[in-house]
Amino acid sequence: NAGVTQTPKFQVLKTGQSMTLQCAQDMNHNSMYWYRQDPGMGLRLIYYSASEGTTDKGEVPNGYNVSRLNKREFSLRLESAAPSQTSVYFCASSEALSGRAFNQPQHFGDGTRLSIL
Amino acid sequence: DQQVKQNSPSLSVQEGRISILNCDYTNSMFDYFLWYKKYPAEGPTFLISISSIKDKNEDGRFTVFLNKSAKHLSLHIVPSQPGDSAVYFCAASARGTGFQKLVFGTGTRLLVSP
Repeated sequence: NAGVTQTPKFQVLKTGQSMTLQCAQDMNHNSMYWYRQDPGMGLRLIYYSASEGTTDKGEVPNGYNVSRLNKREFSLRLESAAPSQTSVYFCASSEALSGRAFNQPQHFGDGTRLSIL
Repeated sequence: DQQVKQNSPSLSVQEGRISILNCDYTNSMFDYFLWYKKYPAEGPTFLISISSIKDKNEDGRFTVFLNKSAKHLSLHIVPSQPGDSAVYFCAASARGTGFQKLVFGTGTRLLVSP
């Protein structure tokens, strides 16, 4: 019962370095999401993928790119890391797409704690 | 513009008593509301949800109330247990966006003492 798995759990980067955060879900969900959580703030949506082959920007997409590799996997890439991207990153998935499946909860991974020096 | 607000950063309750966590929203298009619980170093865990066609939903010790006219929802935990100590986030989405994009509040830290 893995659910949503994120790797790595922790990472420290230098300004300007690049890295990819990995996310995989085993619940056969259609939709996947990337959020960031900063102190004193709620989770904010970076990018989402309504279904395999599609991706769209969320509330705070600048500085990030994503890839929906297949139905299971959704990765988040920082091309040139900046200190402002120090955060905890959460991946989530849900069945929700539209119509009757709209009101389905999102299920979250345990997060990647990213520090950029 | 904070569309979902949790004005109480923290709440302390004794074991066995009721915990009431509050959430206000400003967007009248929101029609689906959820509560998540989060322990340190873990991801948020879905707790309970409510659709705007209802004003109450229960699941065991957890009840969510929705007051659409006041744009307010609350989570009641009865009786509270020490294991309920966590950060609670409310979230909302609007079907009119065509896709479930959740907007989260900033969270309320609940501490239940024995």
